[in-house]
Amino acid sequence: GQQVMQIPQYQHVQEGEDFTTYCNSSTTLSNIQWYKQRPGGHPVFLIQLVKSGEVKKQKRLTFQFGEAKKNSSLHITATQTTDVGTYFCAEVYGNQFYFGTGTSLTVIP
Amino acid sequence: SQTIHQWPATLVQPVGSPLSLECTVEGTSNPNLYWYRQAAGRGLQLLFYSIGIDQISSEVPQNLSASRPQDRQFILSSKKLLLSDSGFYLCAWEGTLNTEAFFGQGTRLTVV
Repeated sequence: GQQVMQIPQYQHVQEGEDFTTYCNSSTTLSNIQWYKQRPGGHPVFLIQLVKSGEVKKQKRLTFQFGEAKKNSSLHITATQTTDVGTYFCAEVYGNQFYFGTGTSLTVIP
Repeated sequence: SQTIHQWPATLVQPVGSPLSLECTVEGTSNPNLYWYRQAAGRGLQLLFYSIGIDQISSEVPQNLSASRPQDRQFILSSKKLLLSDSGFYLCAWEGTLNTEAFFGQGTRLTVV
């Protein structure tokens, strides 16, 4: 299956600081999806990127898809305590979801 | 609207006991269905996926099996649980709009 690596594994930030998680693949991705999993909860779909160089925003969240479609990033501006959780990227390929390893975000008030 | 139900929410089972986790989807037909396992603080491991009734693909050889006796029902089973089967089990279906995954609430299984 597809191998999608995600970094960092853990990130602690002070409330108000920015946060970025990166998703990388050695092969070209057909698409990239991002999910958020709150502590104790289940992953929830955030967004899908399909086009090379695509950038989408959701309030303080900015999602980017690399020009070569081999990487993607999720950037959160001015983190809030409600942003805590694990963020996963995933590629949908052949009826399967290939999830990244996830980045666990802790926001310190 | 489509919804996914997964139960039970938590489960404590002794080693060697059987397991049956059930997942049902409402509001859609012929969905692609998935079972994932998430160990504590870890990522999502795909266990099984199904594109139709009695059509199951296994991603990881293990102590578990899956069945899909009805179009919108997906069951995860084990005949004898191991300690290493502990984890957070998530059922999901593939949405038709963005092909995103919709997850159930999950079952937290502890094997003791």
